[in-house]
Amino acid sequence: AQSVSQHNHHVILSEAASLELGCNYSYGGTVNLFWYVQYPGQHLQLLLKYFSGDPLVKGIKGFEAEFIKSKFSFNLRKPSVQWSDTAEYFCAVNGRGTYKYIFGTGTRLKVLA
Amino acid sequence: SQTIHQWPATLVQPVGSPLSLECTVEGTSNPNLYWYRQAAGRGLQLLFYSVGIGQISSEVPQNLSASRPQDRQFILSSKKLLLSDSGFYLCAWTPGLAGADTQYFGPGTRLTVL
Repeated sequence: AQSVSQHNHHVILSEAASLELGCNYSYGGTVNLFWYVQYPGQHLQLLLKYFSGDPLVKGIKGFEAEFIKSKFSFNLRKPSVQWSDTAEYFCAVNGRGTYKYIFGTGTRLKVLA
Repeated sequence: SQTIHQWPATLVQPVGSPLSLECTVEGTSNPNLYWYRQAAGRGLQLLFYSVGIGQISSEVPQNLSASRPQDRQFILSSKKLLLSDSGFYLCAWTPGLAGADTQYFGPGTRLTVL
């Protein structure tokens, strides 16, 4: 079955702490991978994406993610979080050449000032 | 630039009543259009997607339906709402080619069925 798992449902960090959010997927084929973020009161928006090439991708606001094909993972990282990173983060998979996108259940991050 | 609109922003409906949510996209042609439902702790559930006028793919069997009467208009409907239809409904679009592209989301509609 096609699925995306985000194991951390709620994360609380202090400012300047490092962040890593886990994302694992199950999909029988080549995939494109995404992280989306939803800040309080705002639209869901793209944080970063991986299609091919360098498995370490960089996104907006200092976020990065690494695609590890052997582990079916696409974990999101940030070396030092800020209060403004408080949001809900979603990992998503799209089977290459298909129209469907599969989202994880999301991780709510709260950063304490 | 492209923009996506959804209305209404919030809706409170009694059980058994009909539903119509509308989504329109501006500034692009031939978009792929999507309806998702977002429930707390359950992420985004893909309900329907459309790759062209009159073409609807259903992902989850339920009492909801979708229609695409115009290129940039996507409508989510129900003849009789259930309590379980409560949730946050998001519309999204991508450029015309299959996959491999960012989804752009609308502001959403908060539906409460009482």
